[in-house]
Amino acid sequence: DTAVSQTPKYLVTQMGNDKSIKCEQNLGHDTMYWYKQDSKKFLKIMFSYNNKELIINETVPNRFSPKSPDKAHLNLHINSLELGDSAVYFCASSQELPERETQYFGPGTRLLVL
Amino acid sequence: AQSVAQPEDQVNVAEGNPLTVKCTYSVSGNPYLFWYVQYPNRGLQFLLKYITGDNLVKGSYGFEAEFNKSQTSFHLKKPSALVSDSALYFCAVRGSARQLTFGSGTQLTVLP
Repeated sequence: DTAVSQTPKYLVTQMGNDKSIKCEQNLGHDTMYWYKQDSKKFLKIMFSYNNKELIINETVPNRFSPKSPDKAHLNLHINSLELGDSAVYFCASSQELPERETQYFGPGTRLLVL
Repeated sequence: AQSVAQPEDQVNVAEGNPLTVKCTYSVSGNPYLFWYVQYPNRGLQFLLKYITGDNLVKGSYGFEAEFNKSQTSFHLKKPSALVSDSALYFCAVRGSARQLTFGSGTQLTVLP
């Protein structure tokens, strides 16, 4: 059973293109996240949704737009891709209660912009 | 603002020896502390967490971590390292802010 899944696993595209990454969790969690891991393995939160409502929106270019059609899905759309967008993007989910705040991560989407 | 420091980019240890991966934090309010492990080309896997209670927390695969409030530390330990423990380890903290902040990661290499 895959708890947090992402598609695609790999994405190679040209500068200027628009692309989407999909994320689904079957854990029944209320909160979902997008993280970016750069080439130095540094992890940074991008967005967080709780019950389809945006609750965290870090300093991210507005070319990045998250969309949550329901609380089990959080997709990431990226417009006008740039070379610097090349990274691994991780989706995660958690319950909102502090005692259960463990975040569970998907396998990552490796984006390469040429 | 909350922050996490992992002072060692790389830790090498011989198989069978004890290992320690260091983590210190800065946070407002009570800290929630986590350790995650990342194997090559994989997502992060949860190892253990401290929320409240006993300062020594036991987690997956024989790992444990000790919360030290006075030193604001949460070091990861294992009594006897395995080659299969070789991976990238992340410490993370959540205080009154709603998001987790991750450290820069420590690459653990266990030598046979």
